[in-house]
This record gives sequence, structure tokens and C-alpha cells, in this order.
Amino acid sequence: QKEVEQNSGPLSVPEGAIASLNCTYSDRGSQSFFWYRQYSGKSPELIMFIYSNGDKEDGRFTAQLNKASQYVSLLIRDSQPSDSATYLCAVKPNDYKLSFGAGTTVTVRA
Amino acid sequence: GAVVSQHPSWVICKSGTSVKIECRSLDFQATTMFWYRQFPKQSLMLMATSNEGSKATYEQGVEKDKFLINHASLTLSTLTVTSAHPEDSSFYICSAPNEKLFFGSGTQLSVL
Repeated sequence: QKEVEQNSGPLSVPEGAIASLNCTYSDRGSQSFFWYRQYSGKSPELIMFIYSNGDKEDGRFTAQLNKASQYVSLLIRDSQPSDSATYLCAVKPNDYKLSFGAGTTVTVRA
Repeated sequence: GAVVSQHPSWVICKSGTSVKIECRSLDFQATTMFWYRQFPKQSLMLMATSNEGSKATYEQGVEKDKFLINHASLTLSTLTVTSAHPEDSSFYICSAPNEKLFFGSGTQLSVL
């Protein structure tokens, strides 16, 4: 079983819609959770992090964490063409090392 | 946020040559840095963890003698791909933890 699992996509949404990305993890002891956005040919850029159960909102992004279900999600509201990218879910168990999911490719249709 | 600088951004080299990639933490001291490799349409794979003043820790399956890592100061880590071959062509990314994990801009290596 992979440590971090994501649907690879592609996830295609129309402009202005909500994009919903899901991520599950296997290490129940994980404490920190991150979402990175990666454009083609570029390195990942941190867009959200969440440590506690519940929702965390930052602009058009909302991260949701449910540790009991070992599930973290990212919602992108009012999706824009510039949101088209691959989104990586990352989980930090006990040390500095992050475990990354394979990423979900999002395409926002104008 | 913390800034991590990585050079070069891209390099093309002949098979058999060695390539050095530098990673610097610009506004904080990094006793640890991570080196990742990413093939097209795949996720980041951790290659090794460099530790300032001591030997790097390599992930399973990563050849220590091929991917030389040096972390001589609190702000600089280098990865040298020795005797590079076409199968080493990949996107190499360094990162430094500072509560969160910040990435360098990446190095696209193409070995001819």
C-alpha cells in the first residue's frame, strides 16, 4: 500500500467551478499535511498546509482534514485557467521527510 | 517564506560526464536538505537526505557512488551526478525543511 494515494486524474472542471481533490494516507501517526501545486517543468509550490482536523481556508483554497478517516482534501473555488496544474498531497509522519502522492492533474476549461 | 536557491536550472551533458547541482538556503540555516528526483508525469522520489557535517543518508535503491552529496555548510548542499548516462535524465529538486518544506527551482538534467 502506498503511503499517500491520490487520484491521478486528469480532473477537468469548467472555469468558475469547484475542483475537489482527494488524498488518503496510511500512517495514522502523521501530524502535518500539505498541498503543493506544480506547473509543468517547475518545482512544487506550497499552497496550503493543515495540522488539525477540520477545514482551513486561504483565499479560494480550502483544505479539509479528517485524521480518523486518514483523509485530506483540497477544494479550489472559482477555478481559473491558471489553476491548471498538478497538485501534490504530502504527509509528514514523524520527521522532516515528506511522503508525496503521485499528484492529481487539474485542467480548468475556459 | 523561506527561500531555497538551486543552480543550474537546466543542464545538457554528454554521457559519461559529471554534473554538479547546488542548493542554497538563502535566509535560514539548514542542517538538513533533501534531494528529490522526478521523472515526467511521476511524483517526487526522495533520493537522499544531506546532513551538514556528516554523511548523507540515501534511500533504498539509490547508488551512493553515483549520486555524491556534500553538505559542507549550513547553507549549501551539492549533488553530483557522476558518469551520467541517459537514464539519469530527470528533474532534480532540492528542498530544505523550515517548519514547512520549501523547494528549490529544480534542475532539468538531459544526458545525451
